[in-house]
Amino acid sequence: QVQLQQSGAELAKPGSSVKISCKASGYTFTSYYISWIKQTTGQGLEYIGYINTGSGGTNYNEKFKGKATLTVDKSSSTAFMQLSSLTPDDSAVYYCARGGRYPGQGGFAYWGQGTLVTVSS
Amino acid sequence: DTVLTQSPALAVSPGERVSISCRASEGVNSYMHWYQQKPGQQPKLLIYKASNLASGVPARFSGSGSGTDFTLTIDPVEADDTATYFCQQSWNDPNTFGAGTKLELK
Repeated sequence: QVQLQQSGAELAKPGSSVKISCKASGYTFTSYYISWIKQTTGQGLEYIGYINTGSGGTNYNEKFKGKATLTVDKSSSTAFMQLSSLTPDDSAVYYCARGGRYPGQGGFAYWGQGTLVTVSS
Repeated sequence: DTVLTQSPALAVSPGERVSISCRASEGVNSYMHWYQQKPGQQPKLLIYKASNLASGVPARFSGSGSGTDFTLTIDPVEADDTATYFCQQSWNDPNTFGAGTKLELK
């Protein structure tokens, strides 16, 4: 069965960076894009962007350009998201999610369990 | 960005029918999807592309609409349906989500 297993919670200081992982299993990793979504109580769900797991090509929501960097390691079927220059506004639960074979094709049928990032000095 | 507007909360009795609306600030064709989220859990896809039932989702859930106005219907509502329901559009870039409708059971 399809599973997306995310790395554990992170506590980071302002100005630092964190890198979250999302390990996929149960399907051909390079056949589906992986998207990342931010969830906060105040702002709700925000779409960060997606990565083409086959080519490494990316597409970012303008709001997250310069904040998030998406990469993949095909050898381990793992997608990564690095968040840089962290501020308290980056504190959130971050999800990886998989939809259809192409971005926007349908909804996100599979989600990771979420990674809580807390930014505090 | 495409703004999706949902009513904040609804309260219904078990066995009743409930409709949750989502209005888009611009057309999204039929690329509207619906999710259920319970506290401490990730969202679960219920409906994709406006009216298609996701795998394993009970037929009590249905979706309709196109363009800018969409509806998620639950009929009949069960106690386990207590949750927040989000709409999401994937027609315009970037994808956007509604703020969610919290469904409570009386």
